[in-house]
Amino acid sequence: QAQLVESGGGLVKPGGSLRLSCAASGFTFRDYYMTWIRQAPGKGLEWVSNIGLDGTSIYYGDSVMGRFTISRDNAKNSVYLQMTSLRAEDTAVYYCARSMGRDGLDVWGQGTTVTVSS
Amino acid sequence: SYELTQPPSVSVSPGQTARITCSGDALPKEYAYWYQQKPGQAPVLVIYKDSERPSGIPERFSGSSSGTTVTLTISGVQAEDEADYYCQSADITGTYEVFGGGTKLTVL
Repeated sequence: QAQLVESGGGLVKPGGSLRLSCAASGFTFRDYYMTWIRQAPGKGLEWVSNIGLDGTSIYYGDSVMGRFTISRDNAKNSVYLQMTSLRAEDTAVYYCARSMGRDGLDVWGQGTTVTVSS
Repeated sequence: SYELTQPPSVSVSPGQTARITCSGDALPKEYAYWYQQKPGQAPVLVIYKDSERPSGIPERFSGSSSGTTVTLTISGVQAEDEADYYCQSADITGTYEVFGGGTKLTVL
């Protein structure tokens, strides 16, 4: 069945960088938009970024614009989130999720934890 | 930036009906989606396109839309429905997605 597995989280110092990966399986990856969502400890969901089918349609939330870069590799069935200039407020569980058209985020990964602390 | 407003909490007794609202200026134009999240778990889509229910989601979950407010209704609430619920939609341009602040549903 459809599955998403995130990796790459960890502890990083303020100002540092980290690259998250999300590996897809069980479905035709190139047919789906992909989205990154994060959730700070004890807080709600925050939309981070999404990317279109061929990687040319990309959008970011205000809080990460200019610092984070989303990309995808359809040959490797993977989506990535390059995070730079990290701040304490970027500390969160980061989820990737898929969507097709207007059908909602119907499959989510289990999340990977990013902690920004000195 | 665009915001969706949800009540922080809703409480109901088992068997009753729970209604969770979500308000936003662009909701008359943009579809709304609802997600259920239980502690330590990833969110699960329970309603899409305002009122459609994904396969595998119990019939007691339904969605509706009226003007700038969408509503998630859970009929005959069960203990297992206790969770956080989030609405999601896009801004008026249809470009930027946003989540509501979440509503904690407590089953008394």
